[in-house]
Amino acid sequence: AQKITQTQPGMFVQEKEAVTLDCTYDTSDPSYGLFWYKQPSSGEMIFLIYQGSYDQQNATEGRYSLNFQKARKSANLVISASQLGDSAMYFCAMREGRGYSTLTFGKGTMLLVSP
Amino acid sequence: KAGVTQTPRYLIKTRGQQVTLSCSPISGHRSVSWYQQTPGQGLQFLFEYFSETQRNKGNFPGRFSGRQFSNSRSEMNVSTLELGDSALYLCASSLRVNTDTQYFGPGTRLTVL
Repeated sequence: AQKITQTQPGMFVQEKEAVTLDCTYDTSDPSYGLFWYKQPSSGEMIFLIYQGSYDQQNATEGRYSLNFQKARKSANLVISASQLGDSAMYFCAMREGRGYSTLTFGKGTMLLVSP
Repeated sequence: KAGVTQTPRYLIKTRGQQVTLSCSPISGHRSVSWYQQTPGQGLQFLFEYFSETQRNKGNFPGRFSGRQFSNSRSEMNVSTLELGDSALYLCASSLRVNTDTQYFGPGTRLTVL
């Protein structure tokens, strides 16, 4: 079974609108962390936001927020007021347990922002 | 503070050759991880190093190896290259293991002909 599932291969949004990118995860470990990264066409993975499994509040970083629903095992990324520069691949990733830094990634969602 | 640097950025090799990729982590970061990204398999974990010790290894053949030096710089080596090794190889560093965010470098794009 996939540990990280991103069901949207591609998403389109107009500039200045909000968009939600879906991510569900599967783990039996009570301690885990969820991450979102952005990968522009240049290839570099850019860290956006982090949510720990024990965090009580949803994480926010500027225009990015993470809608964390623990019981449903979902960690959706919300981008408010989309900008043209937000066009990129977005990856959801999970780190499990306390022993390693290893990340497991989803397949990604390609976001295209139109003027 | 400088980010993660990877050299070279682009590499073209032929089947059967070997290649060494280098990664310099963010200053002060002691954990380095490597990932392979291909269109078919996506992002897959290769290795994780901390304080010169391999902490974790992904499901890759023995042709893939790595090491970390005392200054936290890391190298990965692929011997007897195959066409399927063509990929973007990403290095990531974090301050410690398991509690910190990993920051990625720009990657090395390897093409095997």
